[in-house]
Amino acid sequence: AQSVTQLDSQVPVFEEAPVELRCNYSSSVSVYLFWYVQYPNQGLQLLLKYLSGSTLVKGINGFEAEFNKSQTSFHLRKPSVHISDTAEYFCAVTTADSNYQLIWGAGTKLIIKP
Amino acid sequence: EADIYQTPRYLVIGTGKKITLECSQTMGHDKMYWYQQDPGMELHLIHYSYGVNSTEKGDLSSESTVSRIRTEHFPLTLESARPSHTSQYLCASSDPAGQGSFGYTFGSGTRLTVV
Repeated sequence: AQSVTQLDSQVPVFEEAPVELRCNYSSSVSVYLFWYVQYPNQGLQLLLKYLSGSTLVKGINGFEAEFNKSQTSFHLRKPSVHISDTAEYFCAVTTADSNYQLIWGAGTKLIIKP
Repeated sequence: EADIYQTPRYLVIGTGKKITLECSQTMGHDKMYWYQQDPGMELHLIHYSYGVNSTEKGDLSSESTVSRIRTEHFPLTLESARPSHTSQYLCASSDPAGQGSFGYTFGSGTRLTVV
C-alpha cells in the first residue's frame, strides 16, 4: 500500500527567503505525485504534478518540485516566498493499484514571517 | 471553465436537524469524493463514488450518507446533525482515464457548525 509522509507540520520562514517543504512516499509501483495548496477557508488547488518525463516540475506561483525515485521524495521548493504564500500545503500520491485515488500527506503549514 | 461547486459555503445549524450538503461538477467526471477536514488538519476520506449508482465508504467512519443518481451531482446528507459533525467538508472529482491528469479538482468547501 502507498503512503505519504510530510516531514514538517509547520515551516516558518522569513519573507523573500527560500523554502523547501519535504515529502516522502512509499510505493512498490510507479507513482504519480502532486502538490496542492489550501488557503484559509478554501478548497485545495493544484500547484504542480509529476506524471512522467523530466523530474523537475514547475508549477504555479513560482513553485517547483523534484521527483527523486531513489530517495522516494518529491520536495517542493520556492526561491523567494511572499506573504501571500501563507497556506497549508499537501503532498499526494496515486497509482493504478489504488484505482487512482489520491493518498494524502498530513499537510505542512507554511508560515511567512515579515 | 469547467468547475466543481459546493453549497452552502457556510452553515450553522441546530442539533438534530437534517442537512444536505450539495456538490455538483460540470466536467463529466465519473469519480467523486467527500472529505472531512478539521481546521489546519489532514484530509479524511468519508465517501467516494466511481459513477452513477456507485457509492462507497471511505477510510474515516462517518454518520453521513451520499447518493449518486446523476453523474454531475454527489450530495452528502446528515440525518441528525450533532456538534461532533462540526467540520469543513470538501468535495472533489477526477477523471484519470479521460483527462490523463490523475489529479483531483476540489470545490471551495462547506464549513458546517452544529450548535
